[in-house]
Order: sequence, then structure tokens, then C-alpha cells
Amino acid sequence: DSGVTQTPKHLITATGQRVTLRCSPRSGDLSVYWYQQSLDQGLQFLIQYYNGEERAKGNILERFSAQQFPDLHSELNLSSLELGDSALYFCASSVSAVMGALANEQFFGPGTRLTVL
Amino acid sequence: GENVEQHPSTLSVQEGDSAVIKCTYSDSASNYFPWYKQELGKGPQLIIDIRSNVGEKKDQRIAVTLNKTAKHFSLHITETQPEDSAVYFCAASKGDDKIIFGKGTRLHILP
Repeated sequence: DSGVTQTPKHLITATGQRVTLRCSPRSGDLSVYWYQQSLDQGLQFLIQYYNGEERAKGNILERFSAQQFPDLHSELNLSSLELGDSALYFCASSVSAVMGALANEQFFGPGTRLTVL
Repeated sequence: GENVEQHPSTLSVQEGDSAVIKCTYSDSASNYFPWYKQELGKGPQLIIDIRSNVGEKKDQRIAVTLNKTAKHFSLHITETQPEDSAVYFCAASKGDDKIIFGKGTRLHILP
């Protein structure tokens, strides 16, 4: 058990809908990262939040957004869903290094499997 | 931006033999190289990492080597066991917390 929790475990929805995925980081971790994992694309970095502020952006679509709350949990919002958005979505957390210092280990949650029909 | 290439995509080895997975990275500023193992139905888990100031690191049956000049790093698993069957990801980072992953290697340990 990594200490990172994600809900829900599974989510089935229809095209055009909007969903929210939730992540609680390990106790003491200030950084939260979101990744998308599809069959042929490996782990794609979407976005990182550090202590409530957006820190880095990856290949995140404009239809997707995220935020990190004062209690450090994070939510990933996916809207106007398309069939191609079906994937596993992972959240990871780390203590997070100060800008410019060495990267820290990321601890992954169990993931949310999203199926868009 | 950084790009990480990983080979092979699938690897089958006989139980007890060694397995080697190779990765290359594009950004010479990368200085942190973790390897993650993902078992079926679970999230990736860090198994070993190496920083750019060392060329090799070993932890029991797992070792990682780094060649900064060639921008190449490898994972070596010796005396493979059935529980080593999983998907393995290499990754690279410049130390800004952003980690770029390879596409993964599915390792099958044959009885």
C-alpha cells in the first residue's frame, strides 16, 4: 500500500459527460501528479500541483482540469468526454524537492479506470 | 522536451535466467532515473533509481547502470522468479519533479 488513495476505482460514463476523479496524497506529501495510462501510450504526465499551486503541465487537454485543495487532496475534472478518454488515471504524490533540486520518489495510487461508452 | 525510449516492449525469459531492459533519453540535463514495476491491477511502484553522479547501483537481484555520455541506462534482473512478471517502466527527470516515462516493457517469466 503506497498510502495514496484514489476514488472511484471504476467509472463508466457516456460521451459528452463530465466526471471528477479524486486523489488523497500520502501524509506529508505536498506534490500531487496526475497521469493517464492507455494501452499503447504508457504513462502520460498530465499535470502537477504543489501545495495548492499548479507546478507543471504535460499533455493535458483543454477539456481536462485539476486543482489541489487546502487539505492537499486533488481532483481531476474531465469534461466533454470522448471514447478516446477511456484509460487508467493515476495519481501520484511526493514530498517534492525545492525548485532545481533533485526529484523525489513518486508514490502511485491504485488508479481509476474510466470507461467512456 | 525530454523523450524516453524503452526496449524491448515485450520480453520473455526462462525462470532463473537474467532479464535486461534498456532505455535512452534525449535531454542531457536529466539527472534522475527511476525504474517502476507495475503489477496487474495496481499502480506503478518504484523498485530502484539512480542519480547522474553514479554509474551503477545494485539492490539484491536488481541492478541499474547509467551511461551519461551515451544517454543510456539499463535495468538488469538476475535469477528471475515468477513474481518478477510485470510491466517495467524506465523514466528520466531533470530534478524539477517532472518525470517522463518510457512506454514500458512487459516481462514474462516462463516456468
